[in-house]
Amino acid sequence: DIQMTQSPSTLSASVGDRVTITCRASQSISNWLAWYQQKPGKAPKLLIYEASVLQSGVPSTFSGSRSGTEFTLTISSLQPDDFAIYYCQQYSNSLSTFGQGTRLEIK
Amino acid sequence: QLHLQESGPGLVKPSETLSLSCTVSGGSINNYDYFWAWIRQSPGKGLEWIATIDYRGTTYYNPSLTGRVTIFVDTSSNHFSLQMSSVTAADTAVYHCARQGAAFLPAGMTRKAVPGELDTWGQGISVTVSS
Repeated sequence: DIQMTQSPSTLSASVGDRVTITCRASQSISNWLAWYQQKPGKAPKLLIYEASVLQSGVPSTFSGSRSGTEFTLTISSLQPDDFAIYYCQQYSNSLSTFGQGTRLEIK
Repeated sequence: QLHLQESGPGLVKPSETLSLSCTVSGGSINNYDYFWAWIRQSPGKGLEWIATIDYRGTTYYNPSLTGRVTIFVDTSSNHFSLQMSSVTAADTAVYHCARQGAAFLPAGMTRKAVPGELDTWGQGISVTVSS
């Protein structure tokens, strides 16, 4: 099974900050990775797929990148609406696994 | 606009079978560009993918749940369903259905469509396993 290790588990930041969240895959998954945002009591929302493709309607302050088996979600300038939990998902082998999640909190 | 709605019991007894349904509106399940999935989230925990199916009935299962889970599709009524047998308290969770896009992975000289990103989600249904 492919494991996804997401870090940090919690991140405290302020409005306007630039933040990065990382997911590392236990083996090569090419670019087959997506990022989601989840707010309390709501379903997850797709932000990015294929490592760096922005989903329609998602602000351009969100971006994704890949270096080998390490994937990064970057929020270039935090907005009040961005404080939420973020998950990565790999889908490289017909099966999906999620990272453990990163809680982005207001500092 | 595509909408997915989960339905089923909110309470199931241990050892029984959980049956959930997802009704798709605003689009057809009978579409080779997409797959249809179930994901769950235990209280205070992260996301766990359960199973996926395409319109032809090709299925994909989380290996940790294989043997207890069955997913099936009904294209005539535009819905898909999940059955989970022998439930325990560990199966208490919010269950979401979702649409999955197709990822085209290399397969020799061609490419094969496999389940990809989850682009549209239902609001989720809370299921408690308790006697």
